[in-house]
Amino acid sequence: DAEITQSPRHKITETGRQVTLACHQTWNHNNMFWYRQDLGHGLRLIHYSYGVQDTNKGEVSDGYSVSRSNTEDLPLTLESAASSQTSVYFCASSRDPTYEQYFGPGTRLTVT
Amino acid sequence: EDKVVQSPLSLVVHEGDTVTLNCSYEVTNFRSLLWYKQEKKAPTFLFMLTSSGIEKKSGRLSSILDKKELFSILNITATQTGDSAIYLCAVVQGAQKLVFGQGTRLTINP
Repeated sequence: DAEITQSPRHKITETGRQVTLACHQTWNHNNMFWYRQDLGHGLRLIHYSYGVQDTNKGEVSDGYSVSRSNTEDLPLTLESAASSQTSVYFCASSRDPTYEQYFGPGTRLTVT
Repeated sequence: EDKVVQSPLSLVVHEGDTVTLNCSYEVTNFRSLLWYKQEKKAPTFLFMLTSSGIEKKSGRLSSILDKKELFSILNITATQTGDSAIYLCAVVQGAQKLVFGQGTRLTINP
């Protein structure tokens, strides 16, 4: 069955370290998104991509980067992890022309 | 600034009650409005609303959009403990971007 997966599911890292969260989807969706979810803020968009080699900044992109080298993957990198980046991270994908986004299971990241 | 506001933020009711969740929005380049249900993990899709006044229904859940007053409501009738979740409202802006509200945490007590 087609799906969207994230890894790792849980991660603890130290301040200042570089961290990469993986997102992989097998639906062949052209659009992929990264969100973070914090209490009181709902889901906030970090970065998104409409296709291979396309990346765009979202509402809370500072300190994060993404790259899209193929259709299936959109890894999220925290260049130098900060305690403020402790959060639950969700990856999602969608296919034109529909707007419905399908979400991965999430990664809980703790920065100590 | 684009924003989506949900109310109430938290709601506790008894099984069998009917609840109404609210979502208001001020978003440029509106395309559509989506409702999601989030239990312990990933949000799952409930409804997409694009046209005003047309009710979408799925079992005990229904939703409607008012594009003139810029809001949507999600109704759940005859609530069950399995309806306990966070309900998220999101507006599609531009090509495919979603702007989410803070969510309403619904607790159904037996």
